[in-house]
Amino acid sequence: KAGVTQTPRYLIKTRGQQVTLSCSPISGHRSVSWYQQTPGQGLQFLFEYFSETQRNKGNFPGRFSGRQFSNSRSEMNVSTLELGDSALYLCASSLVASGNVNEQFFGPGTRLTVL
Amino acid sequence: QQQVKQSPQSLIVQKGGISIINCAYENTAFDYFPWYQQFPGKGPALLIAIRPDVSEKKEGRFTISFNKSAKQFSLHIMDSQPGDSATYFCAASGYSGGGADGLTFGKGTHLIIQP
Repeated sequence: KAGVTQTPRYLIKTRGQQVTLSCSPISGHRSVSWYQQTPGQGLQFLFEYFSETQRNKGNFPGRFSGRQFSNSRSEMNVSTLELGDSALYLCASSLVASGNVNEQFFGPGTRLTVL
Repeated sequence: QQQVKQSPQSLIVQKGGISIINCAYENTAFDYFPWYQQFPGKGPALLIAIRPDVSEKKEGRFTISFNKSAKQFSLHIMDSQPGDSATYFCAASGYSGGGADGLTFGKGTHLIIQP
């Protein structure tokens, strides 16, 4: 079974621009979560989607948004990019079945650099 | 406020030795405690996880010990091998609002196994 895929793998943007990152979950997984990883703050939860609905959200500004499509694929968008948005953005998928609802499997991430 | 505290920040162990990484949490609503392993340039990979109804879980060379009253849990890597050299993250999450809460991660432990 193929793992979580994320595109693009690397991205360079300038301040003020916006960016869209894409995530395809493991086949059959219906929940997609997004995380930001930086050397200073570590791994931080952005939001989680299930059945095209955002169910949980971390403590990030409204510039960070996401959506999920009917095939469970997800995108996240960051508007008005700031230098501090430079990070590895990770997508994780979960089966959401009784007993393993929290088990999350991560993709390789998208490395975003903001200049 | 850091809800999951991980120590040590870095660890050097001789090949064949036991690697021990500790985590402490604050939120008593947490009910799922996974450990992730991350290699450079890769996303975190789920290693082993435990729920608070058991005090220990073993999978191969990896063991989680869980102390609910102390709100602490630890990862033991037996017979540590050079291939185990990676960054290890503990995490915790609960379940609320109809969906799995995002994982709250520790800051990570950089483990080096010397041959």
